[in-house]
Amino acid sequence: DTGVSQDPRHKITKRGQNVTFRCDPISEHNRLYWYRQTLGQGPEFLTYFQNEAQLEKSRLLSDRFSAERPKGSFSTLEIQRTEQGDSAMYLCASSREAMSSYEQYFGPGTRLTVT
Amino acid sequence: AQSVTQLGSHVSVSEGALVLLRCNYSSSVPPYLFWYVQYPNQGLQLLLKYTSAATLVKGINGFEAEFKKSETSFHLTKPSAHMSDAAEYFCAVSENTGGFKTIFGAGTRLFVKA
Repeated sequence: DTGVSQDPRHKITKRGQNVTFRCDPISEHNRLYWYRQTLGQGPEFLTYFQNEAQLEKSRLLSDRFSAERPKGSFSTLEIQRTEQGDSAMYLCASSREAMSSYEQYFGPGTRLTVT
Repeated sequence: AQSVTQLGSHVSVSEGALVLLRCNYSSSVPPYLFWYVQYPNQGLQLLLKYTSAATLVKGINGFEAEFKKSETSFHLTKPSAHMSDAAEYFCAVSENTGGFKTIFGAGTRLFVKA
């Protein structure tokens, strides 16, 4: 169990550029979640995958955001035409479907700064 | 709809003193409840969870929490604070309906004074 990993850990980009983040969940976990965390706030749910299927998207996830999990393993989160308001920590988490407690394991996050 | 309220965005205690972080939740169905800790520039780590078994839940690092349905509360306590406990703490709720969405509170930052 190597834990959830995220890449990159930090990303600085200029407004209007596109960025892509990657998340590698714990290997036997078939559920994967993306959250956004702004300064002084708790994580806010963005989207959720069960295997390769994206089952729910938050209203926070505008049309500029897209997430994929093509083979049911790693996931990518892309933000197009970044805005300063997108600056935040993007957290990925995973869990096992069989776990009745819905406990999620979090990665270290990707901190995005849009200048 | 689920929601979580953490009372107090900042709590300061002296080393060795009792830690009490308050959490109230709202859920239309029996909830799963969690406390997570976050150290600077790191992800969240699970401290403990309530899953409808014992109402008093023991977690890591000496923390525990008690589920009180009548008060819709799930307060986190630790008898004696340590300097290493200084961090941000988040209470969270998931609904026990086969759902997957976890709602987090805004967090409480714990300061520990020497």
